[in-house]
Amino acid sequence: NAGVTQTPKFQVLKTGQSMTLQCAQDMNHNSMYWYRQDPGMGLRLIYYSASEGTTDKGEVPNGYNVSRLNKREFSLRLESAAPSQTSVYFCASSEARYGGRNFTGELFFGEGSRLTVL
Amino acid sequence: AQSVTQLDSHVSVSEGTPVLLRCNYSSSYSPSLFWYVQHPNKGLQLLLKYTSAATLVKGINGFEAEFKKSETSFHLTKPSAHMSDAAEYFCVVSRFGTYKYIFGTGTRLKVLA
Repeated sequence: NAGVTQTPKFQVLKTGQSMTLQCAQDMNHNSMYWYRQDPGMGLRLIYYSASEGTTDKGEVPNGYNVSRLNKREFSLRLESAAPSQTSVYFCASSEARYGGRNFTGELFFGEGSRLTVL
Repeated sequence: AQSVTQLDSHVSVSEGTPVLLRCNYSSSYSPSLFWYVQHPNKGLQLLLKYTSAATLVKGINGFEAEFKKSETSFHLTKPSAHMSDAAEYFCVVSRFGTYKYIFGTGTRLKVLA
């Protein structure tokens, strides 16, 4: 059972280049998320998709776009990369309702994608 | 609005001694609370979660946390530290229906031989 799979694991870009980070989950979760992790700042939400067909901005959406391709896949695109986007990116998924009760299920994370923009 | 504060950015303990990582949260509604661990260059792994009426939550690798509503705390403890516990730990709060998870800034645990 793979869980959450992200590709690529490493990428180096030049300023202005574009790229797409791919994410897929095999747990049949409705919700998917993209976070970035920077030293001393914890994880910050870029975009999320509560369910297939919907996407919403998180805390730091500027410079990014997302696509929820189907229930399994949620991609993150950098249209014109900037050095400030150098970070580690994590995709995650969750089930909104835990055990049929009104508590949020936990996030399941991918291994991360380390992006450097020169 | 929800928020979470991890009171220590770094904690050092000797191997075999207890671990205490502190987390306070703010939530207008009944929260879901989680602790995650991240080893270097790895993804985040769930240690434990509070999503029920049981206030003492047991997790993996001997960790546990107690939900204290009156103190708005969810501190992580372990009776005896192991070298393999050295990692960064994140406290996370969420509220049902918001699809939002708020992360603390993390506590880096160092275990001394």
